[in-house]
Amino acid sequence: DAGVTQSPTHLIKTRGQHVTLRCSPISGHKSVSWYQQVLGQGPQFIFQYYEKEERGRGNFPDRFSARQFPNYSSELNVNALLLGDSALYLCASYVGGLDYGYTFGSGTRLTVV
Amino acid sequence: AQKITQTQPGMFVQEKEAVTLDCTYDTSDQSYGLFWYKQPSSGEMIFLIYQGSYDEQNATEGRYSLNFQKARKSANLVISASQLGDSAMYFCAMREGESGGSYIPTFGRGTSLIVHP
Repeated sequence: DAGVTQSPTHLIKTRGQHVTLRCSPISGHKSVSWYQQVLGQGPQFIFQYYEKEERGRGNFPDRFSARQFPNYSSELNVNALLLGDSALYLCASYVGGLDYGYTFGSGTRLTVV
Repeated sequence: AQKITQTQPGMFVQEKEAVTLDCTYDTSDQSYGLFWYKQPSSGEMIFLIYQGSYDEQNATEGRYSLNFQKARKSANLVISASQLGDSAMYFCAMREGESGGSYIPTFGRGTSLIVHP
């Protein structure tokens, strides 16, 4: 079975540019969440989509946006990149309910120079 | 205030020995859940174990067990018979409440575990 797949795996962008990160959840998982993980810290919540509706948004500026498509895949967009946006961006999916853990992808390592 | 506190930035253990990773949490909810994840150097977070606030028995999954002490608001992860492959970052996370059948976990800062041969 394919796990959560993210693309690209690594990305280098210049300040002020725009970036799009992509995520395909596990088949049958209706929820997709995005997390930002800065080196040495735990993942910070950015967005959650469940059944294509936004269910939650973390404390991130409006430069961050996301969407979920009819096939449950998702995109995270970041505009006007700052050096501080350099991080590992993790996508996670899960089947729903309260007692199940998330399944994470391997992440996209974004470096802003 | 931190919702999840992991006070041990780094832990070292000898192969085949047991190790306990600490996690304390802060919530006023009666219904909540606690999770542990492992993050190897590859970056992928791997779900290990779950404990619900109403579960009376401590959760176990193979070599992993969760020492849940509700009154102390602690949910420590115990790894028995450590293996070299257990070397990784370990994150404690908490679910509070729910929204239409889904939840959003909050993660701690993590503990780095190194297993020595």
